[in-house]
Amino acid sequence: EADIYQTPRYLVIGTGKKITLECSQTMGHDKMYWYQQDPGMELHLIHYSYGVNSTEKGDLSSESTVSRIRTEHFPLTLESARPSHTSQYLCASSENYSGELFFGEGSRLTVL
Amino acid sequence: KNQVEQSPQSLIILEGKNCTLQCNYTVSPFSNLRWYKQDTGRGPVSLTIMTFSENTKSNGRYTATLDADTKQSSLHITASQLSDSASYICVVSPGFQKLVFGTGTRLLVSP
Repeated sequence: EADIYQTPRYLVIGTGKKITLECSQTMGHDKMYWYQQDPGMELHLIHYSYGVNSTEKGDLSSESTVSRIRTEHFPLTLESARPSHTSQYLCASSENYSGELFFGEGSRLTVL
Repeated sequence: KNQVEQSPQSLIILEGKNCTLQCNYTVSPFSNLRWYKQDTGRGPVSLTIMTFSENTKSNGRYTATLDADTKQSSLHITASQLSDSASYICVVSPGFQKLVFGTGTRLLVSP
């Protein structure tokens, strides 16, 4: 079983609020990723990190930001949430580029 | 352009029956191919991961095949169970680049 955890699992907030989705892994993986997935749709990479102090934007443009101050922690922040941000956000980690990808359970965000 | 295409898009089968899901890819270079199972509202879970030299890999009732020459893979599910109802995602790793995801096949196993 993967040791990668996301909180909260579900979040309903109003427009304009600031939110942070937490992601932590205890496997010591350098590579961490955030994917966005709408219901029934494919996963889209929005952010990734190859190690501490390294963050890059993914293939899908996102207004969210991320930080990587510690190896095990990769939080995602939305400064001002909008209804268009409603989606499921999945965090993942891997030991190396071609290694197995371990996913968290996801954070389902609903912005009213 | 690196792409992974899956078929069918969705599938309904009766409990106890077998089924096969297809994955075609145009990813280069090629490092490995993975199949993930994603239950509704949950994160994907790895089923198999195959490198260039592996033709077949099993994980319980799940058997994946890989033909690196034709760039095709399949996932065969034997004696399906209700708990197999999920999305199955084919993912290809080009090595030192980002993973390429397929759009998935949504499987519904009906009693």
